[in-house]
Amino acid sequence: QLLLTQSPSASASLGASVNLTCTLSSGHTTYAIAWHQQQPEKGPRYLMKVDDSGRYWKGDGVPDRFSGSSSGADRYLIISSLQSDDEADYYCQTWGAGSRLFGGGTSLTVL
Amino acid sequence: VQLVESGGGLVQPGGSLRLSCGVSESTFSKFEANWVRQAPGKGLQWLSHIGSSGKTKYYSDSVKGRFTTSRENAQRSFYLQMNTLTVDDTAIYYCAIGNLGFEYWGQGALVIVSA
Repeated sequence: QLLLTQSPSASASLGASVNLTCTLSSGHTTYAIAWHQQQPEKGPRYLMKVDDSGRYWKGDGVPDRFSGSSSGADRYLIISSLQSDDEADYYCQTWGAGSRLFGGGTSLTVL
Repeated sequence: VQLVESGGGLVQPGGSLRLSCGVSESTFSKFEANWVRQAPGKGLQWLSHIGSSGKTKYYSDSVKGRFTTSRENAQRSFYLQMNTLTVDDTAIYYCAIGNLGFEYWGQGALVIVSA
């Protein structure tokens, strides 16, 4: 079964960097995923697509501070030089056969 | 690219509602389209997908048989017909489109199912 696993929460200091992880279930470890950001009280925003080689393609207007990478079943969202408005929920999402799926989301706190 | 949902509101259990998503992008007909919802305090839940021509449709198990998606490319719009609604369908409903299906999002439409 296709599943995406994310840690419920993460925190990092203003100006620091943070890696958020999305783990694909066994048998689906070559799948590409997308990252979406949801700031408080707002709709989601597409950030990027990350493939199993670690290549990533960002959406319109996504700052250079955001990047992606991969290792095995893990897909990463890396945010550098954290700013206060990076405090948000981050969801990974993938494409299954006849379905689409979101991870449970990671709530990022900027200290 | 702007997406605007409409059609949300208060409906009684067992009732029906039709959500619409209007798209500003002239190339809408090339994009996949999806509906996603978010229950109060919860994460994102994918509901349905419709391919660019409207021929391919997928649904999550939670709404299969109750919800139907459709699109009118000439009107730059797509829809979610929701039937037999229950209190568990209370959520903000988002439309999303793109080559991958999720590059552009609407602002959300609130659906409340309550007696």
